[in-house]
Amino acid sequence: QQQVKQSPQSLIVQKGGISIINCAYENTAFDYFPWYQQFPGKGPALLIAIRPDVSEKKEGRFTISFNKSAKQFSLHIMDSQPGDSATYFCAASITGNTPLVFGKGTRLSVIA
Amino acid sequence: NAGVTQTPKFRILKIGQSMTLQCAQDMNHNYMYWYRQDPGMGLKLIYYSVGAGITDKGEVPNGYNVSRSTTEDFPLRLELAAPSQTSVYFCASSTSNRVGNVLTFGAGSRLTVL
Repeated sequence: QQQVKQSPQSLIVQKGGISIINCAYENTAFDYFPWYQQFPGKGPALLIAIRPDVSEKKEGRFTISFNKSAKQFSLHIMDSQPGDSATYFCAASITGNTPLVFGKGTRLSVIA
Repeated sequence: NAGVTQTPKFRILKIGQSMTLQCAQDMNHNYMYWYRQDPGMGLKLIYYSVGAGITDKGEVPNGYNVSRSTTEDFPLRLELAAPSQTSVYFCASSTSNRVGNVLTFGAGSRLTVL
């Protein structure tokens, strides 16, 4: 059973455009939703995270939008740059340090 | 401050061989994890530990064993390697910030079983 479903699997965006990656979850007990960024040959690193008490969180060009009723959350990358080309993973967990459950990842390519 | 260190970075095993992937962290984190990453499949949890002497199974534990004798080290042992264990393995440790649990990953160990 896939607890966090992520789409699309791959995404190509023009430089300066908006990249949007979506995730959906089933377990209503999840209360922590981070996004991780992974460059080739490296381990994933935390990019941005949100809790369900807010509907949006913005850090620079990166924004998480959260829809609790739809059990969906998404990552928006504004003004996408070639340096943003990486694999992005959404994840979810329940507070109390239960392990993160990851989506399958989205490979983003930003082309000039 | 090295963070999470994994060794080896690359390894080729023959079917039936055994080996141990090493993981060490110097951040004094209590929580440690082993994930495997397969193309298009995301990160799947193998085992995790909430502290020295305590380990628990994740989503895909079969064919693996772990131990946690110290806070710093969390080795992953593969017994009787099979081609299905060809993967990239990531060790991570975690702490909490104001929002939630933050994982620090190692650089990964790429294992090929032939």
